[in-house]
Amino acid sequence: QQQVKQSPQSLIVQKGGISIINCAYENTAFDYFPWYQQFPGKGPALLIAIRPDVSEKKEGRFTISFNKSAKQFSLHIMDSQPGDSATYFCAASKTGGYNKLIFGAGTRLAVHP
Amino acid sequence: DAGITQSPRYKITETGRQVTLMCHQTWSHSYMFWYRQDLGHGLRLIYYSAAADITDKGEVPDGYVVSRSKTENFPLTLESATRSQTSVYFCASSDSGPKLQETQYFGPGTRLLVL
Repeated sequence: QQQVKQSPQSLIVQKGGISIINCAYENTAFDYFPWYQQFPGKGPALLIAIRPDVSEKKEGRFTISFNKSAKQFSLHIMDSQPGDSATYFCAASKTGGYNKLIFGAGTRLAVHP
Repeated sequence: DAGITQSPRYKITETGRQVTLMCHQTWSHSYMFWYRQDLGHGLRLIYYSAAADITDKGEVPDGYVVSRSKTENFPLTLESATRSQTSVYFCASSDSGPKLQETQYFGPGTRLLVL
């Protein structure tokens, strides 16, 4: 069973455009939603994270939007750059869960110049 | 200041052989994790450890064994490798500090091919 569903599987965006990746979760006990970025041949690295007490969090060009009632959250990359080309994973975890993360299947983003 | 390292980075083995993947972190993080990454499945948790000598199963533990005699090391053993265990394996660690959830830091991965 997939507790965190991520879409799309792949995404092509022109330089300067907005990249949007969506995730939906099932377990209402989840209370921490990070996004990880992975470049080819590297391990994933934390990009940005949000908790359900806020509906949006912004760090530079990256924004997480969170909809608790719909059990959905999304990553928006503004002014996408070729250097943003990577695989993005959404994830979820719950307090008291030994910091275990449940990951989505990933989105491969390609930003064309 | 190595952070978290994995060895070997690449491994080719044959069906039925035992393989051990090593993971070492220099931060003294309490939590350590093993994931496998397969296309279409993202990262799936194999085993995790909350401290030395404390380990537990994740989502896909069958065919794997772990141990954690020292805080800094968390080896993963495939007791009898199968082709379905061909994958990229990532080790991660995180602190167990005052924050509700701590960032997980990932190693560079081990690419395993089982023939």
